[in-house]
Amino acid sequence: EPEVTQTPSHQVTQMGQEVILRCVPISNHLYFYWYRQILGQKVEFLVSFYNNEISEKSEIFDDQFSVERPDGSNFTLKIRSTKLEDSAMYFCASSDPGARADTQYFGPGTRLTVL
Amino acid sequence: RKEVEQDPGPFNVPEGATVAFNCTYSNSASQSFFWYRQDCRKEPKLLMSVYSSGNEDGRFTAQLNRASQYISLLIRDSKLSDSATYLCVVNMAQGSSNTGKLIFGQGTTLQVKP
Repeated sequence: EPEVTQTPSHQVTQMGQEVILRCVPISNHLYFYWYRQILGQKVEFLVSFYNNEISEKSEIFDDQFSVERPDGSNFTLKIRSTKLEDSAMYFCASSDPGARADTQYFGPGTRLTVL
Repeated sequence: RKEVEQDPGPFNVPEGATVAFNCTYSNSASQSFFWYRQDCRKEPKLLMSVYSSGNEDGRFTAQLNRASQYISLLIRDSKLSDSATYLCVVNMAQGSSNTGKLIFGQGTTLQVKP
């Protein structure tokens, strides 16, 4: 069964450093998403991406965040200057443009720790 | 009012028990509804979609009441492996698109005991 994959599984960084989180969505999916989950809290939407542009973004997704699809398979989330409060699990998700376009499948996540 | 609200639990039940989770959502324009399961420090995994007519998948039954903006999940004959957090999720699609951001509830924790 096809899966969303994410790398790295755990990223430790110093405050103020840039990080890039990587995702490989399911191959025939065309809608891509990033979510985050701070420890003990609910999963929160960050951004959706379709046709090489952002479809929607949340208030969390400020100028420090950016997304990119640099090639036909990868989807990345960049945080330019990390803050302590960016520590969280970051989940990538993708969905199929077909009949089940509203169903999103999640990757295993990247645990980001900002020191 | 929270966008998606669930009783956080925990629900502690013996094996074989029937347990029900409830969820309410605030936005009447919500398009699609789901239950996801999340194990500790893992990704959310789709358990089932929820349809107005009600739907069943083995031991799991989901119901949606659009008028009351209420979603439920019933688990029959609980197994130890059902222990997890159950997330009520609403898709906030925009316009004619049926894709959109997912809004998650806080989750309801289920612990099934031997």
